[in-house]
Amino acid sequence: GAGVSQSPRYKVAKRGQDVALRCDPISGHVSLFWYQQALGQGPEFLTYFQNEAQLDKSGLPSDRFFAERPEGSVSTLKIQRTQQEDSAVYLCASSLVAGRDTDTQYFGPGTRLTVL
Amino acid sequence: QKEVEQNSGPLSVPEGAIASLNCTYSDRGSQSFFWYRQYSGKSPELIMSIYSNGDQEDGRFTAQLNKASQYVSLLIRDSQPSDSATYLCAVGGYNKLIFGAGTRLAVHP
Repeated sequence: GAGVSQSPRYKVAKRGQDVALRCDPISGHVSLFWYQQALGQGPEFLTYFQNEAQLDKSGLPSDRFFAERPEGSVSTLKIQRTQQEDSAVYLCASSLVAGRDTDTQYFGPGTRLTVL
Repeated sequence: QKEVEQNSGPLSVPEGAIASLNCTYSDRGSQSFFWYRQYSGKSPELIMSIYSNGDQEDGRFTAQLNKASQYVSLLIRDSQPSDSATYLCAVGGYNKLIFGAGTRLAVHP
């Protein structure tokens, strides 16, 4: 079946612009995660959704970052007034169940954001 | 101290050799551990998960866990050039994964 998809795959933004990144999780997956991966680093957790509820947003680096999943499926990560330090790959992952740290997370291809 | 530590490498091994990748973690209460492989420009792909002390084998891959030493390792037997990638160690936290920075593996013919 289809895996996690993300769009756009690449985004170039001028500093100060707003961007929106989309994630389509695997159908039926309850949990959805966003991670940020800087060049040469491992992914870093941003936020977690269980269905439509955002249960953890402790990793969001500033109030310019906002995520939503209004109907419990597709999620959007929005970054307002982008800065150069926001340049990274943004990865979305989903897992079948909720509240269990042993569940496998399946990653999408990522969106590479470059802020000029 | 980072929560999950890995040697960044590169680790260079000849084709056919055993590659040994290591990872330490700081949270003694961690219960789940994962190894992801990431090719350049691609997303992480799960290759092994381990939850109990000891060894777990899957084909050419063996994951080893020692909770007392807070240490996880991945052995790749009969390394192939196609195994050349970055290997990410991840520890399961509450509703998140905590990743190390990854070890770059290069398998040369």
